[in-house]
Amino acid sequence: NAGVTQTPKFRILKIGQSMTLQCTQDMNHNYMYWYRQDPGMGLKLIYYSVGAGITDKGEVPNGYNVSRSTTEDFPLRLELAAPSQTSVYFCASSSFGIQETQYFGPGTRLLVL
Amino acid sequence: DQQVKQNSPSLSVQEGRISILNCDYTNSMFDYFLWYKKYPAEGPTFLISISSIKDKNEDGRFTVFLNKSAKHLSLHIVPSQPGDSAVYFCAAPYGNNRLAFGKGNQVVVIP
Repeated sequence: NAGVTQTPKFRILKIGQSMTLQCTQDMNHNYMYWYRQDPGMGLKLIYYSVGAGITDKGEVPNGYNVSRSTTEDFPLRLELAAPSQTSVYFCASSSFGIQETQYFGPGTRLLVL
Repeated sequence: DQQVKQNSPSLSVQEGRISILNCDYTNSMFDYFLWYKKYPAEGPTFLISISSIKDKNEDGRFTVFLNKSAKHLSLHIVPSQPGDSAVYFCAAPYGNNRLAFGKGNQVVVIP
């Protein structure tokens, strides 16, 4: 039982490049989330999904897109990378919603230069 | 505008002593609170939670206290162990599937 896995662990992007951060969970959770954590700050919600085919914006969605075609996968897409997107990105999942325990992946560290 | 505030970003404590982490919130509608623990290069893991109908919740060495009138909660770790060295985040659910996180408190337990 791997829980929540994220790839890659670390990536350097040039300004204007695009990439997809992968997230997979094997707990059959309905809810999945993407957060970013900037240095010295708390986590901020980018996007979330309540089930396959259903996604919605969080606090800081600009510059990102998501899709949820299966229960297991919730990729995050950066289309035109900007230095402000330098951050650590965490994917999480939970069974029934925000008051349930969220299980986090190990994170993807992204540096945009 | 931070809805959940964790001041005193770092704390050093001797092994065996008590660690006390504080968290203040501004939104009086918050009715549930969680603490997450984070080791370097790992994702946060759930530690303990408390509902606003309680003023205390205990789980082993970890106790969370809630003072609704002061909009304040605290996490006590007794006794502190070296494995408790981590960053601790206070969080509160609100709105549509959102969690307001504090900035975190770094705890260092000295053997």
